[in-house]
Amino acid sequence: AQTVTQSQPEMSVQEAETVTLSCTYDTSESNYYLFWYKQPPSRQMILVIRQEAYKQQNATENRFSVNFQKAAKSFSLKISDSQLGDTAMYFCAFMKHEGIQGAQKLVFGQGTRLTINP
Amino acid sequence: DGGITQSPKYLFRKEGQNVTLSCEQNLNHDAMYWYRQDPGQGLRLIYYSQIVNDFQKGDIAEGYSVSREKKESFPLTVTSAQKNPTAFYLCASNLAGTGVPGELFFGEGSRLTVL
Repeated sequence: AQTVTQSQPEMSVQEAETVTLSCTYDTSESNYYLFWYKQPPSRQMILVIRQEAYKQQNATENRFSVNFQKAAKSFSLKISDSQLGDTAMYFCAFMKHEGIQGAQKLVFGQGTRLTINP
Repeated sequence: DGGITQSPKYLFRKEGQNVTLSCEQNLNHDAMYWYRQDPGQGLRLIYYSQIVNDFQKGDIAEGYSVSREKKESFPLTVTSAQKNPTAFYLCASNLAGTGVPGELFFGEGSRLTVL
């Protein structure tokens, strides 16, 4: 079974700073996907960024980027120039590659509550 | 606007009562999911459905039941057999087999409190 661990329950930074959220996972699969989801205080979760395990290049979406270390089974999220709207709970998630053919069952970590202070 | 609607947003239940949480989507998505969110435990999968009239148990299905009679609807019943039902429940959907892999679209959630 796959497990996802987020060891930072809460983090807090000042606006415009850069912050990195940590995630480790455990799997015997060789091909899979990793995700970061954001859950703002309004509660509707959205996908922030996605990484395919077979791609060596780290994914980037505007101010959000990941550091994917496959051998170490580490998948951290970096938020640059943080904004007040980045305040949210962030979840790291894992999905087997075979999942794309049917229902896509994601395994989520415990979450990190990030607060951006003005 | 397309999206997922969950209702009610807040629900209180007495012990021993069943309660049904509604989830409706107008995104024409094939697959639908129910997750339970507890502090410090993240999201755990309760049930999922890939097509109408078919659904599968997730990791924590005991004490829950679902139905999928219409593509748009996937209600969750929390039965009296669920030992610790107080939680935040999230419904999600996506285009199974197409679209962005792993991109689930979530509702705003239903908070159930057992008194």
